[in-house]
Amino acid sequence: QSALTQPRSVSGSPGQAVTMSCTGTSSDVGRYNYVSWYQQYPGKAPKLIISDVTNRPSGVPDRFSGSKSGNTASLTISGLQADDEANYYCCSYAGSYTLIFGGGTKLTVL
Amino acid sequence: QVQLVQSGAEVKKPGSSVKVSCKASGGTSSTYEITWVRQAPGQGLEWMGGIVPMFGRANYAQTFRGRLTITADDSTSAAYMELNSLTSEDTAIYYCARGRAARFGLPDHWGQGTLVTVSS
Repeated sequence: QSALTQPRSVSGSPGQAVTMSCTGTSSDVGRYNYVSWYQQYPGKAPKLIISDVTNRPSGVPDRFSGSKSGNTASLTISGLQADDEANYYCCSYAGSYTLIFGGGTKLTVL
Repeated sequence: QVQLVQSGAEVKKPGSSVKVSCKASGGTSSTYEITWVRQAPGQGLEWMGGIVPMFGRANYAQTFRGRLTITADDSTSAAYMELNSLTSEDTAIYYCARGRAARFGLPDHWGQGTLVTVSS
């Protein structure tokens, strides 16, 4: 089972909005509303920022939002800040009690 | 607040096995799943498998079937990941994570990670 497809990198200037995609198939992202997004700084453990496609856990700024269309989930970060620079991973339920991650997107704040 | 504390770094010889522990504390009493995820140096996250401690049955990624064993002790809130027949390609940080079983264990909280180095 191949990883979900994420762009290797995206970039934006402070204050701008960026959107990154996570493309799967009709067997994972397209079939289930169980898609999470994680933020990971170098040398640190991942942190949940979006669950169930659109839900933001307590403490996560509302600048972070998630959506899904067909087989592609998306994470949008608005009002970009310097400390948003990190790696972002999506993860989806893929049926039969298995999970699948995306390859990760490196966000650069210019 | 859920906290996951993992065992310390390991250095192993090729062909040997490693067992990493993960102890959970805090959080609600809802049925949860412990998931194991690894990250090779400079690489992305890779799902290895998971277990619902209350039920004790583990699920594994096809990649690891046959050499990965995930167990849990619900009474002590501990989970374990044992990987056999290690090669240099198993050098990675191994994370345990916890999520609700109703959401198929998609991680909500993560441990600090355990570095496993496989080297002769």
